[in-house]
Amino acid sequence: AQSVAQPEDQVNVAEGNPLTVKCTYSVSGNPYLFWYVQYPNRGLQFLLKYITGDNLVKGSYGFEAEFNKSQTSFHLKKPSALVSDSALYFCAVRAYSNDYKLSFGAGTTVTVRA
Amino acid sequence: DSGVTQTPKHLITATGQRVTLRCSPRSGDLSVYWYQQSLDQGLQFLIQYYNGEERAKGNILERFSAQQFPDLHSELNLSSLELGDSALYFCASSQSGQNTEAFFGQGTRLTVV
Repeated sequence: AQSVAQPEDQVNVAEGNPLTVKCTYSVSGNPYLFWYVQYPNRGLQFLLKYITGDNLVKGSYGFEAEFNKSQTSFHLKKPSALVSDSALYFCAVRAYSNDYKLSFGAGTTVTVRA
Repeated sequence: DSGVTQTPKHLITATGQRVTLRCSPRSGDLSVYWYQQSLDQGLQFLIQYYNGEERAKGNILERFSAQQFPDLHSELNLSSLELGDSALYFCASSQSGQNTEAFFGQGTRLTVV
């Protein structure tokens, strides 16, 4: 079975400060990892993914994520947060196996204050 | 715009009724996923189809069923509706391959009264 944990329900940061949203995963074998963002009353938007190779992945809107196999983590980061980054963020995992299921974490609400 | 189209956007129906939610995937995508998003249970995977065949199944109730048609659009049928079925239902699509990201539609908000 595969699962994703996002240990923080909410993250609050000031505009201009670094933003980190945490994610840990559990799968059998190697993972494919994804980050999505959801704005109110909208669908989820893809931000970035890790497949293989470089542990630091760069994505849309200045976001990046660092894959750490030993800690089974895939934390989302942004060096300088904007008020417009306030949204709900989801981490997702799919196992490198015959299981095509894409499992999501519970989500983390990010609030960036001006 | 993700390219995934879901209809209707909003649906209000009574308990015990049956509804059908429709999804048109992005052009070229063979995989379709259905998710249920509610406040208390987060984003729950329901079912996935690939090129017309069921590929993965999640926490889908027996009252719910889905299918993917030859033109690759998909429908999610919800029957004997209960108040607790009120939620946002998302469809997503992706290309083949486990390393491909899924693109989500805007969702159908179902309210059961």
